[in-house]
Amino acid sequence: QVQLVQSGGEVKKPGASVKVSCKASGYTFTSYGISWVRQAPGQGLEWMGWISPYHGYTNYAQRVQGRVSMTTDTSTDTAYLELRSLTSDDSAVYYCARDPARDRFQMPLYYFDYWGQGTLVTVSS
Amino acid sequence: QSVLTQPPSASGTPGERVTISCSGSYSNIETNAAHWYQQLPGTAPKLLIYSNNHRPSGVPDRFSGSKSATSASLAISGLQSDDEAEYYCAAWDVSLNGWVFGGGTKLTVL
Repeated sequence: QVQLVQSGGEVKKPGASVKVSCKASGYTFTSYGISWVRQAPGQGLEWMGWISPYHGYTNYAQRVQGRVSMTTDTSTDTAYLELRSLTSDDSAVYYCARDPARDRFQMPLYYFDYWGQGTLVTVSS
Repeated sequence: QSVLTQPPSASGTPGERVTISCSGSYSNIETNAAHWYQQLPGTAPKLLIYSNNHRPSGVPDRFSGSKSATSASLAISGLQSDDEAEYYCAAWDVSLNGWVFGGGTKLTVL
């Protein structure tokens, strides 16, 4: 069965960076994209970006562009999200989600069909 | 402020039918499909309805979706206590070149 297992919670100081992992299993990793979505405490969902493990192509949300990097390791079927220059506004649960879009032009056609369990990132001095 | 607009709350009694609306614009819902996610308390979101009105395997047919112009709706019939959750609509936005979500609707079963 499809599973996305994320790394554990993190506590970071303002200005630091965080890297969250998402290990996929139960499907061919390179046949699907991975999107990252975050949820601040008591708030709604915010899409952060997408990566294609097949190509390495990325598409980042404007709000985090310049501070975010999404990468994958196809040898371990793991996706990574790195967010730099953290502020308290970045405190949130970060989710990875499987996205059937394998290329950028396919992104409008699909949705997020499986989600990881979430990783809580707390930014505090 | 979310790009897609949902009512913050909805409620119903067991067995009732409730609908949740999602209002967008030409650049998102009118141009692309709407999708719905269910988030039970303390858990990750789960795909509930995709491409306006399709249910993934395992989702009961009590859940249905529709879309008209710049709005989408989620209907839940035969309301059950374990339907209590937050419901989010989502769509691709061609102007933003990214996914946008509604602010979420908290459903309470009275």
